Amino acid sequence: AQRVTQPEKLLSVFKGAPVELKCNYSYSGSPELFWYVQYSRQRLQLLLRHISRESIKGFTADLNKGETSFHLKKPFAQEEDSAMYYCALLAYSGAGSYQLTFGKGTKLSVIP
Amino acid sequence: EAGVAQSPRYKIIEKRQSVAFWCNPISGHATLYWYQQILGQGPKLLIQFQNNGVVDDSQLPKDRFSAERLKGVDSTLKIQPAKLEDSAVYLCASSLAGGSSYEQYFGPGTRLTVT
Repeated sequence: AQRVTQPEKLLSVFKGAPVELKCNYSYSGSPELFWYVQYSRQRLQLLLRHISRESIKGFTADLNKGETSFHLKKPFAQEEDSAMYYCALLAYSGAGSYQLTFGKGTKLSVIP
Repeated sequence: EAGVAQSPRYKIIEKRQSVAFWCNPISGHATLYWYQQILGQGPKLLIQFQNNGVVDDSQLPKDRFSAERLKGVDSTLKIQPAKLEDSAVYLCASSLAGGSSYEQYFGPGTRLTVT
């Protein structure tokens, strides 16, 4: 069975400092990984996915199959980045369906 | 476009009572998902519909939970009878289709408290 691990429940950084939110996964197949974000009083929304290899709001994430990691990074944190971040893995669950498995989430707090 | 709608937003019930949640997905989205998010955890998939058919309900506790999507649009999730451990946020999401290329859009959730 697939698993997603986010080792930090809470991460506090100062504004302008670099940010790295860690995510490790276990999955026997070829993984598709995502980062979702939930800002205060807002809905859970997709931030980025590894297959698109794009930078969203200054965030990037690289899939490292050797280390089974998909860490989220941003060089300079902004106050508006404060939110709950979830790493998720999409796995084939049979009968043509795909299932998203989420980590427990990391709360990022950017200190002004 | 209008987002995924859910109601009610909050519900408090006593254990052994029944409760139902409603979800209206984004227009045109064939795939609908129900997730359970317990405090301190990430969302966990309960059931996935493709149009009005169940694609995956492997993690749905079928002795007390049921869900339907009769006309392939709106969906309801029911718990009968509720237990204390059912206290959670229930999230509905939808996507154009169920394949790996399709983004899931989430609703605001229904926060259930079982006392």
